[in-house]
Amino acid sequence: GEDVEQSLFLSVREGDSSVINCTYTDSSSTYLYWYKQEPGAGLQLLTYIFSNMDMKQDQRLTVLLNKKDKHLSLRIADTQTGDSAIYFCAEGGSGGYNKLIFGAGTRLAVHP
Amino acid sequence: DTEVTQTPKHLVMGMTNKKSLKCEQHMGHRAMYWYKQKAKKPPELMFVYSYEKLSINESVPSRFSPECPNSSLLNLHLHALQPEDSALYLCASSQTTAKGETQYFGPGTRLLVL
Repeated sequence: GEDVEQSLFLSVREGDSSVINCTYTDSSSTYLYWYKQEPGAGLQLLTYIFSNMDMKQDQRLTVLLNKKDKHLSLRIADTQTGDSAIYFCAEGGSGGYNKLIFGAGTRLAVHP
Repeated sequence: DTEVTQTPKHLVMGMTNKKSLKCEQHMGHRAMYWYKQKAKKPPELMFVYSYEKLSINESVPSRFSPECPNSSLLNLHLHALQPEDSALYLCASSQTTAKGETQYFGPGTRLLVL
């Protein structure tokens, strides 16, 4: 079945890089997404990568995809306190319709 | 503009009340979704609308009744809810329900059922 796994917590110092990891099971997924959720808020689409790519960079964000190992990572360079949030990895495009399968979310805490 | 709006932001209701949640998007998207998110959990899909027609119901209890009056609006009518239905209700939209279409989420309505 479909499953997405993430580590639950990451703590980094302000100015360091953060790397959030995710593994997924469905090799037919078309896109893989990273969403950010701040406390009490909805989900903000951060970035996504098409399954035939292995890297995508967008300003401070770098997404790496290892399709063979079904491993996705999100690197945030120069992490700031405003980056403190929960980050959800999601796979989309598997199954018969546009269903997103979310991981449990990684809580990123940025400290001075 | 990738904005999805939801009203109200917060809602408190009793178990005998009837209330509605509203969602709106003006991106021309023809697919709209309702998700439920419990505390410290990822969102769970409830309903999918495609071209104003209900296409997916993820075995949601009938006390939740969705409605799509036009291509920009999505409602969720609530009746006789239980305290365990307290959660953040998120609306999302995408161009279509084709596989891989990016979903854009609203800020959510935080519902408390007493």
